[in-house]
Amino acid sequence: DMKVTQMPRYLIKRMGENVLLECGQDMSHETMYWYRQDPGLGLQLIYISYDVDSNSEGDIPKGYRVSRKKREHFSLILDSAKTNQTSVYFCASSLSWGYSAETLYFGSGTRLTVL
Amino acid sequence: GDSVTQTEGLVTLTEGLPVMLNCTYQSTYSPFLFWYVQHLNEAPKLLLKSFTDNKRPEHQGFHATLHKSSSSFHLQKSSAQLSDSALYYCALSRNYAQGLTFGLGTRVSVFP
Repeated sequence: DMKVTQMPRYLIKRMGENVLLECGQDMSHETMYWYRQDPGLGLQLIYISYDVDSNSEGDIPKGYRVSRKKREHFSLILDSAKTNQTSVYFCASSLSWGYSAETLYFGSGTRLTVL
Repeated sequence: GDSVTQTEGLVTLTEGLPVMLNCTYQSTYSPFLFWYVQHLNEAPKLLLKSFTDNKRPEHQGFHATLHKSSSSFHLQKSSAQLSDSALYYCALSRNYAQGLTFGLGTRVSVFP
């Protein structure tokens, strides 16, 4: 079953705490992404990963870092979370990075609240 | 830079009526265009994407036509259903497969 899985689904943290969001996919996709979704702002690209240890900043990388040590796993890390990082975070994957018309497959999202 | 404009933030309509969602774009090259749909508390998923030729993509009664002359990729359906209530995103591909640039989204609410 082709799937992108995100954990956890809901998370509440205090300002200054570290946050780890995890994402897995079972499709052997090369490319993975982290987006955040805010009302009125749509989906904004945080980071993109082309393969293991091959990551690139998206449009809003400040305050975030990522890790991809296995092709099927992609983590988003917030070091010392801030209240303006309260958002819904979506992980996505696509088959490869060489074709612009690739379909993105999204996970169900993690709703992060930073108090 | 590349951008996508969706002019309607919210569209409300009665079941059975036609729906059209506007999408225009700006790009430094010739991108692919996509429509993604997100139902409440679910993941966004692909609804349609443009073809390289002049074929019109269709899915679940929705269709969209890429007009390069006007940089538009409007989404249309002749008869809305209650199950079409969702958030719809227009998106364009970036060069060198650097992910997608999404518009702000249009929320569609269909009433009986």
